[in-house]
Amino acid sequence: EAGVAQSPRYKIIEKRQSVAFWCNPISGHATLYWYQQILGQGPKLLIQFQNNGVVDDSQLPKDRFSAERLKGVDSTLKIQPAKLEDSAVYLCASSFNSYNSPLHFGNGTRLTVT
Amino acid sequence: GIQVEQSPPDLILQEGANSTLRCNFSDSVNNLQWFHQNPWGQLINLFYIPSGTKQNGRLSATTVATERYSLLYISSSQTTDSGVYFCAVERSTGNQFYFGTGTSLTVIP
Repeated sequence: EAGVAQSPRYKIIEKRQSVAFWCNPISGHATLYWYQQILGQGPKLLIQFQNNGVVDDSQLPKDRFSAERLKGVDSTLKIQPAKLEDSAVYLCASSFNSYNSPLHFGNGTRLTVT
Repeated sequence: GIQVEQSPPDLILQEGANSTLRCNFSDSVNNLQWFHQNPWGQLINLFYIPSGTKQNGRLSATTVATERYSLLYISSSQTTDSGVYFCAVERSTGNQFYFGTGTSLTVIP
């Protein structure tokens, strides 16, 4: 089966600019996650969707980050305006369901904010 | 939230050596996964192991949920095993996965 697809692979922007990341989960997976991984740390959950509804966005900095999964399939994560501390790898993952289902990760987008 | 601690934080092995990585967690969990993050940053599923023991080639994992720990065994290590190993747990009271801080493994020829 095809894995989780993410784009772009790399992105370099200046602070205060905006950026968007795209994710297409594994076909049939109802749950989609966006994680932020800062260098040297484990991934941190930003937002979790079940179909097109938000399950958990408690750690999403909502003043600058937004995410949507309008048709319950692919998803977009946006940062506007970006800060230096947003430099990280943004990982998308999906699972068949939100319980008792393993996570499958995409290759991630490495964001550098200068 | 749940605390997930991994040890050791760093490990250097000679090729062919064996190793054991540990993951301790502070609360009861529904699920636990082990991942390998390769030098290119890709997170690869190793085991989905809420309890019991599983083996896949040179790797095996054991989770003792009642004692809140999991172990990952790597035998006859190879240079391609280098990278960071993460465990992630899903709390029994919620469906968010929490990641540990990882074990960075370097296998030298």
